[in-house]
Amino acid sequence: DAGITQSPRHKVTETGTPVTLRCHQTENHRYMYWYRQDPGHGLRLIHYSYGVKDTDKGEVSDGYSVSRSKTEDFLLTLESATSSQTSVYFCAISGTGTIQETQYFGPGTRLLVL
Amino acid sequence: QKEVEQDPGPLSVPEGAIVSLNCTYSNSAFQYFMWYRQYSRKGPELLMYTYSSGNKEDGRFTAQVDKSSKYISLFIRDSQPSDSATYLCAMSDTGNQFYFGTGTSLTVIP
Repeated sequence: DAGITQSPRHKVTETGTPVTLRCHQTENHRYMYWYRQDPGHGLRLIHYSYGVKDTDKGEVSDGYSVSRSKTEDFLLTLESATSSQTSVYFCAISGTGTIQETQYFGPGTRLLVL
Repeated sequence: QKEVEQDPGPLSVPEGAIVSLNCTYSNSAFQYFMWYRQYSRKGPELLMYTYSSGNKEDGRFTAQVDKSSKYISLFIRDSQPSDSATYLCAMSDTGNQFYFGTGTSLTVIP
């Protein structure tokens, strides 16, 4: 998984609780991304970061916030989890290795909001 | 209209068959094209990367890009049961933001 870890790998939570997912990379790369993957929708971009403290919204950013205080860590927070946020969340990095213009993905976090 | 369209399948073929997977897109600025393979309950892994038009071959896999038709393909020769997975196409114009198809589910039957 190209030096990308995600934690936790599985989480069950209740509606209304805040949840934070962590992505950690050992590749020292500038761009990091959070996606969610749902049946019939494929991968949808939530937020991405192009440097420490530099982030921008993706296609489905409502209800999510992110922070990046260090190059290696990118956090995704669900401010108040809802059942519609039950999904598999993937972190990705780009700009790695000899192919700069592609992405490498972490193993994913399965989130269930009851 | 989505930026990238991909037939979700499912596709089921016998072992040894040639598999053809396809995506179409609408943004003529796309110049980086990728195919990912995703096994059940795993993250997508990069399979093939192509810049601009043309073909690229890697073992049993061939990626083709036809920018004039806004159409990309992945061919798998001598398909194996281990090729059973979901295949995602992806593309980018800047190399910093990426657009994905919804994935095609492939099963190779022994």
